[in-house]
Amino acid sequence: GNSVTQMEGPVTLSEEAFLTINCTYTATGYPSLFWYVQYPGEGLQLLLKATKADDKGSNKGFEATYRKETTSFHLEKGSVQVSDSAVYFCALRSRGGSEKLVFGKGTKLTVNP
Amino acid sequence: DTAVSQTPKYLVTQMGNDKSIKCEQNLGHDTMYWYKQDSKKFLKIMFSYNNKELIINETVPNRFSPKSPDKAHLNLHINSLELGDSAVYFCASSLNAAGGHSEQFFGPGTRLTVL
Repeated sequence: GNSVTQMEGPVTLSEEAFLTINCTYTATGYPSLFWYVQYPGEGLQLLLKATKADDKGSNKGFEATYRKETTSFHLEKGSVQVSDSAVYFCALRSRGGSEKLVFGKGTKLTVNP
Repeated sequence: DTAVSQTPKYLVTQMGNDKSIKCEQNLGHDTMYWYKQDSKKFLKIMFSYNNKELIINETVPNRFSPKSPDKAHLNLHINSLELGDSAVYFCASSLNAAGGHSEQFFGPGTRLTVL
């Protein structure tokens, strides 16, 4: 079945540090890939997505590239801010059939001033 | 304007009770979902409805019964609540169930605590 493996957290960084959160997936065919962010006390928001190999999703300084050869979709940001503190979820959805999102276990990021 | 709304935001109840959580979306979407997030933040889909028809039903106890009176609403009724039902329940919606590209919009969540 489809699955997503995310790097274990929590991750603690200082402001302006470089962020990488690793995500790899197992799926049949070519799924769509997503990063969602959950700020404290809130629901999930879509951060970025990529729908085919070599696509790069980007938003708010975050980027992730769909790598079919390594089945990965790592999230990166060059300079994190305190306001980026949140839980980040990698997710996939297979094409056709069920529309369900399969999530990774989430990575909690804390950015200190 | 709230896109996906849920009520109540917090729900504290005793074991054995029956409770409902309501979800409404004003985005004109065809598909709605219920997800459960446990204490370790792990998110898993429970149900999905497309135009009021059930299309996803994961392995969920039959004490959980979704109801979709129209395509803008998807409610979740839980019978005989158990301690293990304590979690945050998220409703979501998307434009359609085909293609695999449509973004899912999430509600703010309902934190259920069973005592």
